[in-house]
Amino acid sequence: GIQVEQSPPDLILQEGANSTLRCNFSDSVNNLQWFHQNPWGQLINLFYIPSGTKQNGRLSATTVATERYSLLYISSSQTTDSGVYFCAADSNYQLIWGAGTKLIIKP
Amino acid sequence: NAGVTQTPKFRVLKTGQSMTLLCAQDMNHEYMYWYRQDPGMGLRLIHYSVGEGTTAKGEVPDGYNVSRLKKQNFLLGLESAAPSQTSVYFCASSYSRTGSRNEQFFGPGTRLTVL
Repeated sequence: GIQVEQSPPDLILQEGANSTLRCNFSDSVNNLQWFHQNPWGQLINLFYIPSGTKQNGRLSATTVATERYSLLYISSSQTTDSGVYFCAADSNYQLIWGAGTKLIIKP
Repeated sequence: NAGVTQTPKFRVLKTGQSMTLLCAQDMNHEYMYWYRQDPGMGLRLIHYSVGEGTTAKGEVPDGYNVSRLKKQNFLLGLESAAPSQTSVYFCASSYSRTGSRNEQFFGPGTRLTVL
């Protein structure tokens, strides 16, 4: 089945810094989503992005389907951006999840 | 519009006890899913449903049963709970499998501890 790998596993940044999170997947996908899991465990949809680029405020995401990777960009980080960022790729009715990138933004 | 809701939010069981987790969505979605999340990991699919009256196994179905008697509800049952089922359970739904309607939306989770 499809494999999803995320890097880096952990990231500690100062408030105001920019960051890039990467998601590699081993096969072609119909669906690629990015989620933020906040410190209270809530999963928040960030992007549905099987291909192309999308932007939402300080966040943007790019998926290059032919090269099987997706990138999540966070600009001007805020402490509220802390949490775990997951990417998940669709494979035969299942969303296969990466292990996540744990992001800590220090004030 | 509440989205996806889950009941209960927390539960503690003893080994061998049974329980049912309820998921409800008010978005008229056809597809519903149950996932579990263990510490330090992403989610893994337990069971899913592609419509009222249908269910199918996911990646980790053993020890769980599900039912979808109404379109808006998806129930997850544990017949005889085991400590290995201690986890956070998430329900999700999506409109269809086509394009952006394949986007999944998640409930707040149920934290289950089996002693």
